[in-house]
Amino acid sequence: DGGITQSPKYLFRKEGQNVTLSCEQNLNHDAMYWYRQDPGQGLRLIYYSQIVNDFQKGDIAEGYSVSREKKESFPLTVTSAQKNPTAFYLCASISQGGTDYGYTFGSGTRLTVV
Amino acid sequence: KNQVEQSPQSLIILEGKNCTLQCNYTVSPFSNLRWYKQDTGRGPVSLTIMTFSENTKSNGRYTATLDADTKQSSLHITASQLSDSASYICVVSATGRGGADGLTFGKGTHLIIQP
Repeated sequence: DGGITQSPKYLFRKEGQNVTLSCEQNLNHDAMYWYRQDPGQGLRLIYYSQIVNDFQKGDIAEGYSVSREKKESFPLTVTSAQKNPTAFYLCASISQGGTDYGYTFGSGTRLTVV
Repeated sequence: KNQVEQSPQSLIILEGKNCTLQCNYTVSPFSNLRWYKQDTGRGPVSLTIMTFSENTKSNGRYTATLDADTKQSSLHITASQLSDSASYICVVSATGRGGADGLTFGKGTHLIIQP
């Protein structure tokens, strides 16, 4: 079955540590996105990539980094510069062009600072 | 500034009852509006997507309406089931802005169905 796979489902980070969240899709979608979700707030865009080897900052990119070396993969690194990283992280992808009917979310990664 | 406001923030109803969730938006120029269902600890799943010319769209017991003049949408759930307990998110897309940077998310309505 086609879809988006995020891993791990739960992740714990120590102070000052970098961690990487994985996002893989087999939908042949061109564009991929990372969102952060906090309780009582809407999803906020961190980074997005519309083609391989290119990505753009979203609304809250500070303290995060991404890469897009392959069409299928869009990993997100939460760096030590992100002072409040505890949140639920969602990856999404979409087929380019048309009316965005192919917008699909992964099942999320919950990151907790310990 | 593009905004999407959802109400109520949370709602508790008894199993078998109907309910209606509201979404008001100020996104311009409007392209489409989507409703998503998000179970706790899971990613959102699309329920409906509506363009400017569509007034009503159904997906099983879920019926979405759109009034582009007043910039309002509603999601009506008929004969609620325990599995309907989730957050429901309204997302509005602006024309001319490709990809996710053209999307505005509401904060969601948290729905609890009690037996």
